Amino acid sequence: AQKITQTQPGMFVQEKEAVTLDCTYDTSDQSYGLFWYKQPSSGEMIFLIYQGSYDEQNATEGRYSLNFQKARKSANLVISASQLGDSAMYFCAMREPAYSGAGSYQLTFGKGTKLSVIP
Amino acid sequence: EPEVTQTPSHQVTQMGQEVILRCVPISNHLYFYWYRQILGQKVEFLVSFYNNEISEKSEIFDDQFSVERPDGSNFTLKIRSTKLEDSAMYFCASSDYARAGTDTQYFGPGTRLTVL
Repeated sequence: AQKITQTQPGMFVQEKEAVTLDCTYDTSDQSYGLFWYKQPSSGEMIFLIYQGSYDEQNATEGRYSLNFQKARKSANLVISASQLGDSAMYFCAMREPAYSGAGSYQLTFGKGTKLSVIP
Repeated sequence: EPEVTQTPSHQVTQMGQEVILRCVPISNHLYFYWYRQILGQKVEFLVSFYNNEISEKSEIFDDQFSVERPDGSNFTLKIRSTKLEDSAMYFCASSDYARAGTDTQYFGPGTRLTVL
């Protein structure tokens, strides 16, 4: 079963408009973290925003905000005032706890959403 | 701003050859990771490394793969005998001590490995 589901393979948005990229997740753990990364055509992975499962408020970072609905297990990324430079792949990822006791963990990624910003 | 660096940016090799991908994590980070992304697919976890040993590894990380921190700054991924299906972008990542709310993994720019 998919742990991270991104149902929108591609999205278009007009420049200066807001856009919401969907992400739902599946976990039985109480403690988890959710991340969004941006991957431009150049290939690097750029961290955008983080939401912890115990955080009471939705995370915000500049033009990025995370619409976290814990009961629905969704963590949608909202980009306000889209810019041409926002055109990229966007990946939602979830931190899975490591049970080895070493404290490190792995991220499980969704398949991504390709966002295209139209001038 | 500190960043993760990776070399080379692109590596082309013949099937059956050994390759070593190199990474320099952010200097005060303690946890190191390798991920891969086959073209057009999602990013997949390979291995995590802490305190000079592997913490976790995925099914992908079989005996052909190994990781090493040969000195205080480098973190390497070795593939002993490359296969065509190893062609992918390989990302190194690092994170600070995994305290709540700050356990973000920062990724390097990636090494694109092409196996011919």
